[in-house]
Amino acid sequence: LAKTTQPISMDSYEGQEVNITCSHNNIATNDYITWYQQFPSQGPRFIIQGYKTKVTNEVASLFIPADRKSSTLSLPRVSLSDTAVYYCLVGDTFSIGNEKLTFGTGTRLTIIP
Amino acid sequence: NAGVTQTPKFQVLKTGQSMTLQCAQDMNHNSMYWYRQDPGMGLRLIYYSASEGTTDKGEVPNGYNVSRLNKREFSLRLESAAPSQTSVYFCASSELGGLAGYNEQFFGPGTRLTVL
Repeated sequence: LAKTTQPISMDSYEGQEVNITCSHNNIATNDYITWYQQFPSQGPRFIIQGYKTKVTNEVASLFIPADRKSSTLSLPRVSLSDTAVYYCLVGDTFSIGNEKLTFGTGTRLTIIP
Repeated sequence: NAGVTQTPKFQVLKTGQSMTLQCAQDMNHNSMYWYRQDPGMGLRLIYYSASEGTTDKGEVPNGYNVSRLNKREFSLRLESAAPSQTSVYFCASSELGGLAGYNEQFFGPGTRLTVL
């Protein structure tokens, strides 16, 4: 089970690009990297997932170096509505039930006007 | 499409009381999960069900039981509630991973449970 380490909190101003880095030194060959976002009083919401290199969708980009021991979630031009907790998860998405997915304490991102 | 629904939204119990948290999904997903989230913490997996008729323990199963009633519904039961079970409970569902390459979990709105 790959343990992840990410900053406890980050602050950023509106309009800036925010990069949140996650360390996962023990990532296994079959593991994917997934990021979730959680607003207060809501359940987490899937943002993006990747295995290697770069993945981009309408919300974010995910950068994964060749050794896969870390990953960076990039949020372009953040707004106040991006204030949330962001979780980095590493697990084998081919395993039944995804029981290996563990939500750590996440990174609390605060966007400042 | 309602997604994942949970009932009740709030509940207060006294120590020793029992209750069942209900969860239903309308996305025809195979896998369903129950998590708890304590204040300022991440989610911890209590139980999961990979398919109808199967359930398995997660990280923190003690004090809980589950039933996968059918493909849509997955309930969580507290037989004798304790103050340590005060938490927010989230149900989630997902499509089984595999050829799709990933397994996005869809979460319900949560049940806020207080045990006095």
